[in-house]
Amino acid sequence: QVQLQQRGAGLLKPSETLSLTCAVFGGSFRDNYWSWLRQTPGKGLEWIGEISQGGSTNYNPSLQSRVALSVDPSKSQFSLTMTSVTAADTGVYYCAKAEGIFDIWGQGTLVAVSS
Amino acid sequence: DIQMTQSPSSLSASVGDRVTITCQASHDISQCLNWYQQKSGKAPKLLIHEASDVETGVPARFSGSGSGTDFSFTISSLQPEDIATYYCQQCDDLPYTFGQGTKLEIK
Repeated sequence: QVQLQQRGAGLLKPSETLSLTCAVFGGSFRDNYWSWLRQTPGKGLEWIGEISQGGSTNYNPSLQSRVALSVDPSKSQFSLTMTSVTAADTGVYYCAKAEGIFDIWGQGTLVAVSS
Repeated sequence: DIQMTQSPSSLSASVGDRVTITCQASHDISQCLNWYQQKSGKAPKLLIHEASDVETGVPARFSGSGSGTDFSFTISSLQPEDIATYYCQQCDDLPYTFGQGTKLEIK
């Protein structure tokens, strides 16, 4: 059974960079796409983007200019970087398995952006 | 982007009631529609994929139907543990998008 474990800083100041990592345990890393999503008061549940183990990416156009996903297959990990955060980026960030059907989720990371 | 419109936004029902939530897509998404349950403080949990395929381990009282632009999600007999917010999500086109959620409460 695949499990996802998130880590990363949860308190940021405006204009700083958000960095989160998701480690995959108990399953095949290479056969899946891996996604990041978030849940904010302003927009509800929002898909941020996805990455394959080979590094192929798809992004939500609304966030694409500020977001980058990366992958480290040797560690079965994938990461999210979001630049120039504002208060509107405050919310819970999730990593998830699969391409379009999110069947396994990480525990969530509360990210607060405040000066 | 494909817009997903859920209704109602909130719902109060009694234990044992049949509960139905609807989800409408702004474009034809065939059957690429998933339903999630989110309990307070937890990550969403996939209940149904491809409009009507119930995930392994999900109680049989949960079901889904629909295709094209109109979908529904039903709990045949509401149980106290079903208190949660439910979301639909389309997987037909990027970016994947979610409905705004239906908060289900017990009367």
